[in-house]
Amino acid sequence: SAVISQKPSRDICQRGTSLTIQCQVDSQVTMMFWYRQQPGQSLTLIATANQGSEATYESGFVIDKFPISRPNLTFSTLTVSNMSPEDSSIYLCSVVAGPYAVKEDEQFFGPGTRLTVL
Amino acid sequence: LAKTTQPISMDSYEGQEVNITCSHNNIATNDYITWYQQFPSQGPRFIIQGYKTKVTNEVASLFIPADRKSSTLSLPRVSLSDTAVYYCLVGPVNQAGTALIFGKGTTLSVSS
Repeated sequence: SAVISQKPSRDICQRGTSLTIQCQVDSQVTMMFWYRQQPGQSLTLIATANQGSEATYESGFVIDKFPISRPNLTFSTLTVSNMSPEDSSIYLCSVVAGPYAVKEDEQFFGPGTRLTVL
Repeated sequence: LAKTTQPISMDSYEGQEVNITCSHNNIATNDYITWYQQFPSQGPRFIIQGYKTKVTNEVASLFIPADRKSSTLSLPRVSLSDTAVYYCLVGPVNQAGTALIFGKGTTLSVSS
C-alpha cells in the first residue's frame, strides 16, 4: 500500500493560534484529500488538495480557516487557522490509488494528526 | 450517493463469526459496495469491495443479495485485533477520483 506520513502526529495548541499539518506520500498520486474526525465521530471530508491550483472545499469548510497547499504530487499541507476548542479533532490525509491499489478507487489514509486546542 | 444504514455497535467474543449488515435501499445500477476498517488511532483501510453475489478475500467475505438493497460483511473467527469501526460505503467506482464519503460506521468490540 502507499506509505503516507503526517507531521506532527499530535499537538496541543492554544486558542487563536494556527497549526500546519504536513502530509508526505512515498509516490506520486493524483488525488489527495483532507478529512477531519471529531472524537467518537466518523470522518468528514474537508477538501480536495489540487496540485497547482486552489483546493476544492466541502460545504462548511472555507479556505480562510483551512488553507491547503499542494506544491507537488507527493506533498500537501493543511493549516488550521485561528483555532478554537471546537477544532480539536484528528486530521487525516488521504490519497487515491496509484500503483498500489487493489481496486482503482482504493483510498489510503495517513495515520492522522491528533489536535487538541485549549 | 446512496444512503447507508448499519448498526452503531456490535459485541462479539473471540472465535465467533461476525456479520455486519448494511442497508442501502437506493443503490444505483453502477454503484459498488465497499467496506473500510478503522482501528483505534489509525486511518481507515480498504478491506473488501463487491457488486453482487459473494466476494471473499483473506480478511472477510461480502454477501450481496440479488436485489442489492443490503449487504453483509462477514468476519470469520474474530480475534481481539478485529476490534475496530467498520464502514459501509456505496457509490460508483472512482468517479474522477472523488473522495469517499463516510457514514457513521459500526463499532465492533471483540472480547476474550
